[in-house]
Amino acid sequence: AQSVTQPDIHITVSEGASLELRCNYSYGATPYLFWYVQSPGQGLQLLLKYFSGDTLVQGIKGFEAEFKRSQSSFNLRKPSVHWSDAAEYFCAVGPAGGTSYGKLTFGQGTILTVHP
Amino acid sequence: NAGVMQNPRHLVRRRGQEARLRCSPMKGHSHVYWYRQLPEEGLKFMVYLQKENIIDESGMPKERFSAEFPKEGPSILRIQQVVRGDSAAYFCASSTRVSNTEAFFGQGTRLTVV
Repeated sequence: AQSVTQPDIHITVSEGASLELRCNYSYGATPYLFWYVQSPGQGLQLLLKYFSGDTLVQGIKGFEAEFKRSQSSFNLRKPSVHWSDAAEYFCAVGPAGGTSYGKLTFGQGTILTVHP
Repeated sequence: NAGVMQNPRHLVRRRGQEARLRCSPMKGHSHVYWYRQLPEEGLKFMVYLQKENIIDESGMPKERFSAEFPKEGPSILRIQQVVRGDSAAYFCASSTRVSNTEAFFGQGTRLTVV
């Protein structure tokens, strides 16, 4: 069965510092990979996605993620965090191919707090 | 082009009542997915529907929960005889059937059972 692990439940960084959020997955085949962000009481916004090709993916708001097949990881990074980045971040995997692109398995989420 | 629309945004029900959650997919999207987010947890897949068909309901509780996506109108997630444990945020997502595309999420319906 597929699973997604986000080892860090809560991360605190100072504004301007770099950020890395970890994501490891277990999947039977090559998956599609996603990072979403959720502000309190809001829906999910897609930050970036990996389907194929270049393993370093650029997303919105200055985020990037790197797919490492050998480590089954898809870590999210940002070189300089802004106070507005404070939110909860979810890593998700989905089936590559077929038609059920929206059937995703989500991690538990990482809450990001940004100190001024 | 409006996004995925869910209503109501907030719903309060007493134990034993029925809850009906609606989801209108993005224009041109024929696939709908429902997810549940319990407090302090990630989203859990519930059901995947196409027009007039349930494709995958592997995440649906066996009792009291049902979903439909009729030929006309929004998709409905129905919870009968709600209990306090049903209190959660319910999210709908929609997608096309084109490959290499993602699903888009609605703002969610926050159900509170009192």
